[in-house]
Amino acid sequence: KAGVTQTPRYLIKTRGQQVTLSCSPISGHRSVSWYQQTPGQGLQFLFEYFSETQRNKGNFPGRFSGRQFSNSRSEMNVSTLELGDSALYLCASSLDGGTRGYTFGSGTRLTVV
Amino acid sequence: QKEVEQNSGPLSVPEGAIASLNCTYSDRGSQSFFWYRQYSGKSPELIMFIYSNGDKEDGRFTAQLNKASQYVSLLIRDSQPSDSATYLCAVTIPPYAGGTSYGKLTFGQGTILTVHP
Repeated sequence: KAGVTQTPRYLIKTRGQQVTLSCSPISGHRSVSWYQQTPGQGLQFLFEYFSETQRNKGNFPGRFSGRQFSNSRSEMNVSTLELGDSALYLCASSLDGGTRGYTFGSGTRLTVV
Repeated sequence: QKEVEQNSGPLSVPEGAIASLNCTYSDRGSQSFFWYRQYSGKSPELIMFIYSNGDKEDGRFTAQLNKASQYVSLLIRDSQPSDSATYLCAVTIPPYAGGTSYGKLTFGQGTILTVHP
């Protein structure tokens, strides 16, 4: 059974650009959450999607957005990149909305220069 | 006060010893508790989850939950060098008025564990 797949693994972008990250959840999982991980702030919740609907959103500016497709694949977009957006972005999926925890993908390492 | 706090570490134990990792949380309504392991340069991996007061054992790992004290711990018996990693405590905190808790885990900062031969 394939795990959570995130692409790309690494990205280098320039300040002011925008970026789109992709996540394919485990087959059958309909809940997808996104997290940002930095050394200073740790793991912080961005948003969660279920059946193409955003059900929850963390405390991030509107430059961070996402969507989910009918096949449960999800994308995350960050516009007008800032140096502080450099982080590991992790996607996690769950069958049942997280009651038994979430399975994380390998992450996308974003560097903004 | 942080929502989820872990003993700061780093924690160093000899091979074969018991490693004890601790986590406290601030919201009494917290419902689900998770322990993740994260190797350097890798993503978090779920080790255990616990919902009810008491102990839950899985192999060399035991999670302990005490809701009255707002405390959850992870014991690793017979620690091995391969257990060396950062251990993350995560909690599902109930939503406040108008909000939801869907998909959101609140993580502690993590405890770095080193098991030396």
